[in-house]
Amino acid sequence: DAGVIQSPRHEVTEMGQEVTLRCKPISGHNSLFWYRQTMMRGLELLIYFNNNVPIDDSGMPEDRFSAKMPNASFSTLKIQPSEPRDSAVYFCASSPGGARQETQYFGPGTRLLVL
Amino acid sequence: QQQVKQSPQSLIVQKGGISIINCAYENTAFDYFPWYQQFPGKGPALLIAIRPDVSEKKEGRFTISFNKSAKQFSLHIMDSQPGDSATYFCAASIAGNTGKLIFGQGTTLQVKP
Repeated sequence: DAGVIQSPRHEVTEMGQEVTLRCKPISGHNSLFWYRQTMMRGLELLIYFNNNVPIDDSGMPEDRFSAKMPNASFSTLKIQPSEPRDSAVYFCASSPGGARQETQYFGPGTRLLVL
Repeated sequence: QQQVKQSPQSLIVQKGGISIINCAYENTAFDYFPWYQQFPGKGPALLIAIRPDVSEKKEGRFTISFNKSAKQFSLHIMDSQPGDSATYFCAASIAGNTGKLIFGQGTTLQVKP
């Protein structure tokens, strides 16, 4: 099993540019989560999907952030326009269904730097 | 009410010592309490978890102690090793709630050789 795959691993962009982060969850997992991690705010849940449907996006900071999950094997998190305060590590995690649905498996993260 | 409060923020322990990290919660609907371990440059990974029907769970050198009446739970790392140096997150969730976890702020543990 390849685990959760995220791309790119590192992204450097300039303020105002569009940024798209990608995630491939573990095959067969029903839930997908996007997190943001910073020193100041720790690990924040941005949005999560269950069976490709967004369930809770209350953690999305503002309208500049959007996320989609067009199918069970792919999700994107988009920031448009990006700002320096968006600099962080963004993690995607997936979770299986059933009795152990709480266990989340994290990807390696995308380190984003907005100049 | 949805928060999980974790302490301390950072911890330094000598090799062979006991590391203790504490978490507290308010929402009595929480019924699953995992701990995640994160090494630098990696994503968090599940370390050990407990449900409130037991007061303690042990896996190797790692033990969760759970106090339901106090709404507190803690992670104990016995015989701490330099390889245990990492950031530890406690979390809580409500079973059947599509797996959403509420994470604590994290504790950075350094084990000195």
